[in-house]
Amino acid sequence: GAGVSQTPSNKVTEKGKYVELRCDPISGHTALYWYRQSLGQGPEFLIYFQGTGAADDSGLPNDRFFAVRPEGSVSTLKIQRTERGDSAVYLCASGGQGAVGELFFGEGSRLTVL
Amino acid sequence: SQKIEQNSEALNIQEGKTATLTCNYTNYSPAYLQWYRQDPGRGPVFLLLIRENEKEKRKERLKVTFDTTLKQSLFHITASQPADSATYLCALGAGSARQLTFGSGTQLTVLP
Repeated sequence: GAGVSQTPSNKVTEKGKYVELRCDPISGHTALYWYRQSLGQGPEFLIYFQGTGAADDSGLPNDRFFAVRPEGSVSTLKIQRTERGDSAVYLCASGGQGAVGELFFGEGSRLTVL
Repeated sequence: SQKIEQNSEALNIQEGKTATLTCNYTNYSPAYLQWYRQDPGRGPVFLLLIRENEKEKRKERLKVTFDTTLKQSLFHITASQPADSATYLCALGAGSARQLTFGSGTQLTVLP
């Protein structure tokens, strides 16, 4: 597609459940990022992939969060044993090669943990 | 710890005036700074990038300045229009680390 695609757009789950959020980046973009945005706040970095490997996962809050990008394109963010504090909008962004450049964000997946 | 502050959570201006948004940072040495626009329920959209060795960048009605001594960036929208109403985010990037650190944003409302 022309832009970054994220599914689902909305996810409501119960505390303790497992959740997967999917990101389909712009074709040809090697860099992929996950950010989390709470209401009234800016996006908060979670993890960065260059190709298939996680180049920097320092933003993942704890070991309940995990992300994969097995073929260097689509990425899945996985959250185990969800907690109410995980409720937020999860944003995916992709970018071309190079150390500096604009990020192209998807519309986000809004996660609500009841 | 690193801190990024954007001026006042909300800024209201009259159509046709120049909007000036401020981004201040502490305990950070960014190699570049970016500004994004975010509309409600949407993802951020890139506007401008300025590097540490650049003082000013322009794009149509937008102008960004970057003062590494003051640790501040100013973002200007000239001849503002109601369609410019949105939240504007500044984001800092450091050298080889590609992840951005975002401020909390300033919500701009341009009144007709």
